[in-house]
Amino acid sequence: NAGVTQTPKFQVLKTGQSMTLQCAQDMNHEYMSWYRQDPGMGLRLIHYSVGAGITDQGEVPNGYNVSRSTTEDFPLRLLSAAPSQTSVYFCATLRASGETQYFGPGTRLLVL
Amino acid sequence: GDSVTQMEGPVTLSEEAFLTINCTYTATGYPSLFWYVQYPGEGLQLLLKATKADDKGSNKGFEATYRKETTSFHLEKGSVQVSDSAVYFCALIGAGGTSYGKLTFGQGTILTVHP
Repeated sequence: NAGVTQTPKFQVLKTGQSMTLQCAQDMNHEYMSWYRQDPGMGLRLIHYSVGAGITDQGEVPNGYNVSRSTTEDFPLRLLSAAPSQTSVYFCATLRASGETQYFGPGTRLLVL
Repeated sequence: GDSVTQMEGPVTLSEEAFLTINCTYTATGYPSLFWYVQYPGEGLQLLLKATKADDKGSNKGFEATYRKETTSFHLEKGSVQVSDSAVYFCALIGAGGTSYGKLTFGQGTILTVHP
């Protein structure tokens, strides 16, 4: 099992560009989420999904869109990148009624 | 809302030294508490957890006890190794149903262990 995979590992964007961060899992976990990690601030929840077709906002959703068409995939879209979105992004999964979240290796994003 | 506060870092220790990383939280009811570890260049891994008051989580020589009276979940290890060098995050999931799966993290503590 690959667990949780994220692509790309590193990306440089110019302000105003759009891109999609990919997250895929092969554990059949119902719950998936996106966090961003910034120095001195820990990780903060951007969006989450409790199952295919269901998504909701976390603590810092502005500037990001998500969709969940399958159990396996949960892409995060930046429609118009801003320097404030420079961060490391982590995808995580959780089995329904479970407690342990499994994190992907992260995507490092730099917006110039 | 829920919040987690960790001791300021970075923490630098010599091998075999005793480690304590303080963590306190604010939350209603009885949240579940976690310590995650992030090794250089990797994602986060669960280190240990505790789901009710007075529970002790332990793993790889690390321990933390859920203290409701002091709203704390301090991480300890009796003898650290160079391989323990990493960033450590304290986190919680709130007790309410709407909090399911939503981790609230502390700011992280960088630990460096020298030979």
